[in-house]
Amino acid sequence: GAVVSQHPSRVICKSGTSVKIECRSLDFQATTMFWYRQFPKQSLMLMATSNEGSKATYEQGVEKDKFLINHASLTLSTLTVTSAHPEDSSFYICSARILGLAVDTQYFGPGTRLTVL
Amino acid sequence: SQQGEEDPQALSIQEGENATMNCSYKTSINNLQWYRQNSGRGLVHLILIRSNEREKHSGRLRVTLDTSKKSSSLLITASRAADTASYFCATLRTSYDKVIFGPGTSLSVIP
Repeated sequence: GAVVSQHPSRVICKSGTSVKIECRSLDFQATTMFWYRQFPKQSLMLMATSNEGSKATYEQGVEKDKFLINHASLTLSTLTVTSAHPEDSSFYICSARILGLAVDTQYFGPGTRLTVL
Repeated sequence: SQQGEEDPQALSIQEGENATMNCSYKTSINNLQWYRQNSGRGLVHLILIRSNEREKHSGRLRVTLDTSKKSSSLLITASRAADTASYFCATLRTSYDKVIFGPGTSLSVIP
């Protein structure tokens, strides 16, 4: 099956710093990638939809200037949490949709756990 | 945004019993999927059921879909301690849309 990787798997940073999380589709090209956030004991909440070569579409309530998304190629999307604060500590999961197919599902990465001190 | 509710929020059963989780959603859908997530881990895709399907099986899993009621159920038969996890339903409205997750059910299977 299609594989999506994320890097890093775990990151700890100081408050006020920026953190970049990468999401890669390893064996397919992804037209669209999605970023989700999951707080402890809660469900996944969609943050934004990222299309290669265009601006990301953010869900209501998600600050686009704080969560910068870049989808520079068909296999890579990055999420940068700028000026991170402890309330940004969460599990961030990306997913990808395969290019060229009327595929009806997405493939999820393993997630990145961000802890902001 | 989230799509509907899951019921129950938490379920505790003895090993060997069956576990049933329900999911309701709000909009018309292309398909509905069930995922498992062990604590602190990523998602494991369990099963996908399309809007024109009513029931699907995979091993010990049985999923039903009632589009008239906008609801789905996941049945795990002969549960094992290793089934302890959170289970989420997720819906896709159209083929090119985004997957939206329900709030999930936390299942504990007691050995």
